[in-house]
Amino acid sequence: EPEVTQTPSHQVTQMGQEVILRCVPISNHLYFYWYRQILGQKVEFLVSFYNNEISEKSEIFDDQFSVERPDGSNFTLKIRSTKLEDSAMYFCASSEESSYNSPLHFGNGTRLTVT
Amino acid sequence: AQSVTQLGSHVSVSEGALVLLRCNYSSSVPPYLFWYVQYPNQGLQLLLKYTSAATLVKGINGFEAEFKKSETSFHLTKPSAHMSDAAEYFCAVTGNTGGFKTIFGAGTRLFVKA
Repeated sequence: EPEVTQTPSHQVTQMGQEVILRCVPISNHLYFYWYRQILGQKVEFLVSFYNNEISEKSEIFDDQFSVERPDGSNFTLKIRSTKLEDSAMYFCASSEESSYNSPLHFGNGTRLTVT
Repeated sequence: AQSVTQLGSHVSVSEGALVLLRCNYSSSVPPYLFWYVQYPNQGLQLLLKYTSAATLVKGINGFEAEFKKSETSFHLTKPSAHMSDAAEYFCAVTGNTGGFKTIFGAGTRLFVKA
């Protein structure tokens, strides 16, 4: 069964550094998402992306965050200048249709640790 | 705006016992509701979804959920718990308000005792 893949599985970075988290969504999916989960807390929506533009973003997704689909397969999340509170598990997801009609398929996540 | 509330951050049952995980939703539009499961060090996987076709929804691994509009609930049940059911379960809602955003509840960790 096709799956969403995320790299790296773990990323350690120093505060103030830029990080790029990478995702390869399922190939025929058109909608892409980033969520994060701070340890022990709920899964929080960050951003949705469709037709090469952001569809919706949360309050968490401020100017330090950006997303890009640089080619036909990758979907990236960039954090420009990391803060300690950015430490979390970041999940990429994709769906065939809008999430109103079809469920999300999640990757296994990237654990980001900011020191 | 949509939201879901999961009652109980932890639920513990004995193997073979009934599993009941509670979820209440709030939505200004007819909601699409989902249950996802998360095993350790993995992403979330879909258990089942409600899309208004039937109020009782059957999912994978013997789980089912019933949509009750009058109670704004979408509780997840399984008649007989198995050790392999131990995981974190998330209720989620999507409303057709544009933006394609799915909102997750805080999660309920299920423990299964031998």
